[in-house]
Amino acid sequence: DSGVTQTPKHLITATGQRVTLRCSPRSGDLSVYWYQQSLDQGLQFLIQYYNGEERAKGNILERFSAQQFPDLHSELNLSSLELGDSALYFCASSATSGGNNEQFFGPGTRLTVL
Amino acid sequence: SQKIEQNSEALNIQEGKTATLTCNYTNYSPAYLQWYRQDPGRGPVFLLLIRENEKEKRKERLKVTFDTTLKQSLFHITASQPADSATYLCALEGVGSGGYQKVTFGTGTKLQVIP
Repeated sequence: DSGVTQTPKHLITATGQRVTLRCSPRSGDLSVYWYQQSLDQGLQFLIQYYNGEERAKGNILERFSAQQFPDLHSELNLSSLELGDSALYFCASSATSGGNNEQFFGPGTRLTVL
Repeated sequence: SQKIEQNSEALNIQEGKTATLTCNYTNYSPAYLQWYRQDPGRGPVFLLLIRENEKEKRKERLKVTFDTTLKQSLFHITASQPADSATYLCALEGVGSGGYQKVTFGTGTKLQVIP
């Protein structure tokens, strides 16, 4: 158990809908990262927050947005969903920011768009 | 452009042998490089971190080397076991948007240890 929690575990929805994925980082970790992993694909970095502020951005679509709240939990909002958005979405946390910090990954949310 | 390359073909190895996985990168000057293990349907798990001034790092049956001249890291698993079968990812930092450091993962190499 990494200490990172993600809800829900599974989400099935229809095209055009909007969903919110939630992540609680490990106690004390200030950085939260979001990744998308499609079937048999690599981890695609979406966005990173550090202590409430956006720190780095990857190939995140405009239809996707995220935020980190004062209690450090984070939410990833996906809107106008398309079939291609079906994937595993991972949240990770680390103590601070930067490459000298190991990332602890949550169990993921499996999103299926029908 | 920045690129991280790991062998996309699966590596099959006999139990007891040493598995060697490669991570090559271009247009990065990372101060740190990390290796993770990922099992199907699960989040990656951190294994080792090596700094640019460290040539080699070991942890139990794992060994990582980091050659900043060749821009390459090698990940070795000695006395491999079927339980080592998984996908192994390298990750390194580069400069992201806004000038902050950003960690990027390679696509991973799938290791299959055959009994």
